Amino acid sequence: DVKVTQSSRYLVKRTGEKVFLECVQDMDHENMFWYRQDPGLGLRLIYFSYDVKMKEKGDIPEGYSVSREKKERFSLILESASTNQTSMYLCASRLIVGGSNTGELFFGEGSRLTVL
Amino acid sequence: LAKTTQPISMDSYEGQEVNITCSHNNIATNDYITWYQQFPSQGPRFIIQGYKTKVTNEVASLFIPADRKSSTLSLPRVSLSDTAVYYCLVGDPYNTDKLIFGTGTRLQVFP
Repeated sequence: DVKVTQSSRYLVKRTGEKVFLECVQDMDHENMFWYRQDPGLGLRLIYFSYDVKMKEKGDIPEGYSVSREKKERFSLILESASTNQTSMYLCASRLIVGGSNTGELFFGEGSRLTVL
Repeated sequence: LAKTTQPISMDSYEGQEVNITCSHNNIATNDYITWYQQFPSQGPRFIIQGYKTKVTNEVASLFIPADRKSSTLSLPRVSLSDTAVYYCLVGDPYNTDKLIFGTGTRLQVFP
């Protein structure tokens, strides 16, 4: 069965701390994504990755970085957490099908981050 | 920049058909349209995907007109368990791997 696992469901951090959100998928998918979800704003794309060591900025990359050293793992890093990064973070992966974007996105259960 | 527009919310009653429309005026020629459902405290999950005309599966139908600038998700005979947020998803026209969600439509089904 398909599985995307996010390391922490709930985190509480202080302003200025470095935060790592980990995401692991067991489906050998090439594409991986990080979204944040806030009330009234839907899901907004932070970063995505085509494959190992490849990354692309989404719509709201400021204040975030990512790492993809292995195909199954895509990490989101907040170098210096701020209160406006309090949010639900969702990781997803997708298998590339025939070079088009027809592959289904599989999501993790989300990581709710609170920055005090 | 890809942009999708959906109604913010919709109400329905059990047993009715619900149609949710999404506009995506600058969809890329080779892009597919995908719809997802999300329950509270869960990640979105795939419902249906299409390129043009009509697609039907066991839970929904998707209607896409010839110009592909919009799509309509149709849920037949909704039940209380269909109360959720529904998102349409397309790729950015300059990079279709950059998958952009809209703000979603919150569907509330009443008894």
